[in-house]
Amino acid sequence: EVQLVESGGNLIQPGGSLRLSCAASGFTFSSYSMNWVRQAPGKGLEWLSYISSTGNTRYYADSVKGRFTISRDNVKNSLFLQMNSLRDEDTAVYYCARDWSVVADTPFDYWGQGTLVTVSS
Amino acid sequence: DIQMTQSPSSLSASVGDRVTITCRASQGISNYLAWYQQKPGKVPKLLIYAASTLRSGVPSRFSGSGSGTDFTLTISSLQPEDVATYYCQKYNGAPRTFGQGTKVDIK
Repeated sequence: EVQLVESGGNLIQPGGSLRLSCAASGFTFSSYSMNWVRQAPGKGLEWLSYISSTGNTRYYADSVKGRFTISRDNVKNSLFLQMNSLRDEDTAVYYCARDWSVVADTPFDYWGQGTLVTVSS
Repeated sequence: DIQMTQSPSSLSASVGDRVTITCRASQGISNYLAWYQQKPGKVPKLLIYAASTLRSGVPSRFSGSGSGTDFTLTISSLQPEDVATYYCQKYNGAPRTFGQGTKVDIK
């Protein structure tokens, strides 16, 4: 069974840093591209970042470019999101999500349960 | 970047009604369009991909259509368990933008 479990969410002050993790199991993690998506309280879904299966290709939304860094460890079956210079508007539930297929350009078939990041002084 | 615009932002319909949600891309995206359902307090669930292909296990009352810039999600006969927010998403290249969502509830 495919499982994605996020961790690392916390209450953090503006300007601070946080590292989110997503532990994957039940599939060959190293074969799949992965993504981070967030959802602010009462708001819609916002795609944040993509990383290819090898980690060689990474994309970011403009809202987080230069502040957030996506990475992965294919030995430990884990996905990460390093978040720096956090702002109040980064408050959200953060989800990791798997690309459906090992080929390029596919939607997200599995999502984690999310981890809450609250940015507040 | 390509923007995805959904309409309406919310709707209320009776059980058994036909419900239609539209999604418009600011530039052509061929058929790289997915629809997700997010029930209150739950994780998003993929319903439809490639604009019109129903994911296995999704009830046949859901259907999708469109190509290029204009897309539609249709629920042929609304059921109480369909109360949710529905999102479209373009998934070719980056950014993989979502629409702003359409909240569906029962009248």
